[in-house]
Amino acid sequence: DAKTTQPPSMDCAEGRAANLPCNHSTISGNEYVYWYRQIHSQGPQYIIHGLKNNETNEMASLIITEDRKSSTLILPHATLRDTAVYYCIVRGPNFGNEKLTFGTGTRLTIIP
Amino acid sequence: DAGVTQSPTHLIKTRGQQVTLRCSPISGHKSVSWYQQVLGQGPQFIFQYYEKEERGRGNFPDRFSARQFPNYSSELNVNALLLGDSALYLCASSLVSVSTEAFFGQGTRLTVV
Repeated sequence: DAKTTQPPSMDCAEGRAANLPCNHSTISGNEYVYWYRQIHSQGPQYIIHGLKNNETNEMASLIITEDRKSSTLILPHATLRDTAVYYCIVRGPNFGNEKLTFGTGTRLTIIP
Repeated sequence: DAGVTQSPTHLIKTRGQQVTLRCSPISGHKSVSWYQQVLGQGPQFIFQYYEKEERGRGNFPDRFSARQFPNYSSELNVNALLLGDSALYLCASSLVSVSTEAFFGQGTRLTVV
């Protein structure tokens, strides 16, 4: 699975959009980009994933660049409950292989 | 619907002892994975089981073992505990397909003294 690079920490004002970047310059054509977050001392929570196209769900939007070498997770209206560590993970479509390789993630702090 | 459940939630063991951690996946999920998370780091993959067979193993010593039962629940065993085994142990379940999300339990906090 391709390696990802994320900033160690970010701040965002409550109510504003939080934009979390991720670089994955060695991503292969069939690898997916996943985002998870982990609120203090809880299990990681799935947010969103995508292959090529931009994706949106009730939690967030995922913007993947055309060359697929980077992506941005967007939380449109950040709240204090969005304070967490956010992990960007690249994983291949290996049927039966569910391994996720977590890095150190981005610690997002929402400022009141 | 019940999510992934893990037991116990907290555990204190002495060096050299053995421990068994338990995980019940979401109903219908046949894949269970185990992760270790030490303070300040992201979760590290230990094992994955699918249909009661080991499908993946991370870089952990043989003191770590696991199994999956016919009802798809799973146990993680750690023998000869070391202080460095103190961590949050996470279980995740998933449907197996080309791209699906994993659902994590709240973890078992193991402290080795």
